[in-house]
Amino acid sequence: GAGVSQSPSNKVTEKGKDVELRCDPISGHTALYWYRQSLGQGLEFLIYFQGNSAPDKSGLPSDRFSAERTGGSVSTLTIQRTQQEDSAVYLCASSSDSAGGSYEQYFGPGTRLTVT
Amino acid sequence: AQSVAQPEDQVNVAEGNPLTVKCTYSVSGNPYLFWYVQYPNRGLQFLLKYITGDNLVKGSYGFEAEFNKSQTSFHLKKPSALVSDSALYFCAVRDGDTGGFKTIFGAGTRLFVKA
Repeated sequence: GAGVSQSPSNKVTEKGKDVELRCDPISGHTALYWYRQSLGQGLEFLIYFQGNSAPDKSGLPSDRFSAERTGGSVSTLTIQRTQQEDSAVYLCASSSDSAGGSYEQYFGPGTRLTVT
Repeated sequence: AQSVAQPEDQVNVAEGNPLTVKCTYSVSGNPYLFWYVQYPNRGLQFLLKYITGDNLVKGSYGFEAEFNKSQTSFHLKKPSALVSDSALYFCAVRDGDTGGFKTIFGAGTRLFVKA
């Protein structure tokens, strides 16, 4: 079946512009996560959504970052007034945590964001 | 709050030798533990997990890991390394008691397997 997809795969933007990154999770997965990975570094948790519960936004680095998940499926991560330090690969993942679910996360290919 | 430590930035091993990639964790509740692998120019892939049950868990590509509660460790092992195992490995932890989904990843360990 289809995996997690993300778009665009690459995004180059000028400092100060807003960007939107999109994630399509695996169908039926109730949990959706966003992470940020700087070059060759570990994953930094940003936010997760689970079903209809309030999202855990504790990892968002500033109020310039926001995310939403519409209809329990597609999610959009928005970065306003981008800064050069926002340059990174943004990864989306989904998982199934229902009864008998598997807990592990399935990752998309990522969006490489470059702020010039 | 959860945390994960991967004390080695890099591990070098000769092909055919056993490999160990270390991971220690901190979590207030029961840990859900995971290993993921990132091959060059490819996405992150799940390798194995510990949720409950046997402390020794087996996963993809011949990898295994042992959950040690007293040492709060979850080291990744393989009896005989392959050159194709060269990749970036991440350990991750989630607090299974809080019901939350927040997952914290370690900084990663780069494994080099030399022929």
